[in-house]
Amino acid sequence: GAGVSQSPSNKVTEKGKDVELRCDPISGHTALYWYRQSLGQGLEFLIYFQGNSAPDKSGLPSDRFSAERTGGSVSTLTIQRTQQEDSAVYLCAVGFPSTDTQYFGPGTRLTVL
Amino acid sequence: KQEVTQIPAALSVPEGENLVLNCSFTDSAIYNLQWFRQDPGKGLTSLLLIQSSQREQTSGRLNASLDKSSGRSTLYIAASQPGDSATYLCAVWDQNFVFGPGTRLSVLP
Repeated sequence: GAGVSQSPSNKVTEKGKDVELRCDPISGHTALYWYRQSLGQGLEFLIYFQGNSAPDKSGLPSDRFSAERTGGSVSTLTIQRTQQEDSAVYLCAVGFPSTDTQYFGPGTRLTVL
Repeated sequence: KQEVTQIPAALSVPEGENLVLNCSFTDSAIYNLQWFRQDPGKGLTSLLLIQSSQREQTSGRLNASLDKSSGRSTLYIAASQPGDSATYLCAVWDQNFVFGPGTRLSVLP
């Protein structure tokens, strides 16, 4: 994606462990989005940041999911006590509030065993 | 390199009309194709997902078709409503998402 990096690219974890996914956008993108795509499913919106605040957390599937953004830049998505149904590709996207274009990162493929 | 285009760029129709949005992609080796809706200031909403082995998907008033060999997909919206006004994006999953530029739809009451 255009100037968006995500780490790790792949993560395999055991059920019940916590994981932290990172999104590192290039500067200037004030809007940041987290999505996930499960196998065979459509893209699912999780959370949206405008600056460091999250006006829309409606997509977080449970209270095991949380996200934060610091300095208007790097964002982390944390999943506590992972479950097998959390296995998916987690995508971060950035955009400018003045345009509708979102630039996606390469994603983190999470596998929960 | 995969490229996705959409026509028309913008469309304005009166309420009740049936309409078709078009999406084209250059590399047929895709895993799936998705149609999204984007409302201003909101995240993307996935409307329909068509796997590479499928030819169409339907959800309510929406029907999407996929012709991989010709690199085309269409989104058909029946009996359009003002609430359908949004930008519609198609994207192919090809190692990563590749999005089209979108069609901005306005449905007039």
